Amino acid sequence: EVQLVESGGGLVQPGGSLRLSCAASGFNFGIYWMQWVRHIPGKGLVWVSRINIEGNSTNYADSVKGRFTISRDNTKNTLFLQMTSLGVEDTAVYYCARGRQVLHAWGQGTLVTVSS
Amino acid sequence: DIVMTQSPDFLAVSLGERATINCKSSQNILYSSNNKNYLGWYQQKPGQPLRLLIYWATTRESGVPDRFSASGSGTDFTLTISSLQAEDVAVYYCHQYYSLPYTFGQGTKLEIK
Repeated sequence: EVQLVESGGGLVQPGGSLRLSCAASGFNFGIYWMQWVRHIPGKGLVWVSRINIEGNSTNYADSVKGRFTISRDNTKNTLFLQMTSLGVEDTAVYYCARGRQVLHAWGQGTLVTVSS
Repeated sequence: DIVMTQSPDFLAVSLGERATINCKSSQNILYSSNNKNYLGWYQQKPGQPLRLLIYWATTRESGVPDRFSASGSGTDFTLTISSLQAEDVAVYYCHQYYSLPYTFGQGTKLEIK
């Protein structure tokens, strides 16, 4: 069974940092592109970032470029999202998802709350 | 950015009846070189991960019941549930993957009338 399990969310103050992880199982993680999507309250689903199979090609939404870094460890079947300079506008449920374009599998999400 | 607009925002349909959700993109998402529409539909039930229902605008994902179908091309798309079941209560999203940043519709909440 394909499983994606996010972790690392929580409450952080504005200006703070957080590292999200997404543990993959049930499929060959190393042959799939991966993405992060967030669900912002009142705004809906918003695409965040994408990474290729090797981890050497990435894309970011303008709203997170320069602050977020996507990466992966294919030996540990894990996807990461390093988030810095967090603002209240980054409050959301963060989902990892499998796919280069179409998102064939999603995790349950991890909640990130940015508040003082 | 391509803006995806769904209608309606809320939909209440009786069990066994047809449910139709529309999605309109602000730009054409049909790639002429392969004649594919870069459009997907997802279902989200409370407490569950999002589930891919349809991709390439009309291709049903493996395991998705055949009461789910989709149509459309270019900028106008439709998701249809032919005979609504209780387990279809969910929020439905369309998604364009034609160009970055990929974008989603605002969601349509489907309930039982």
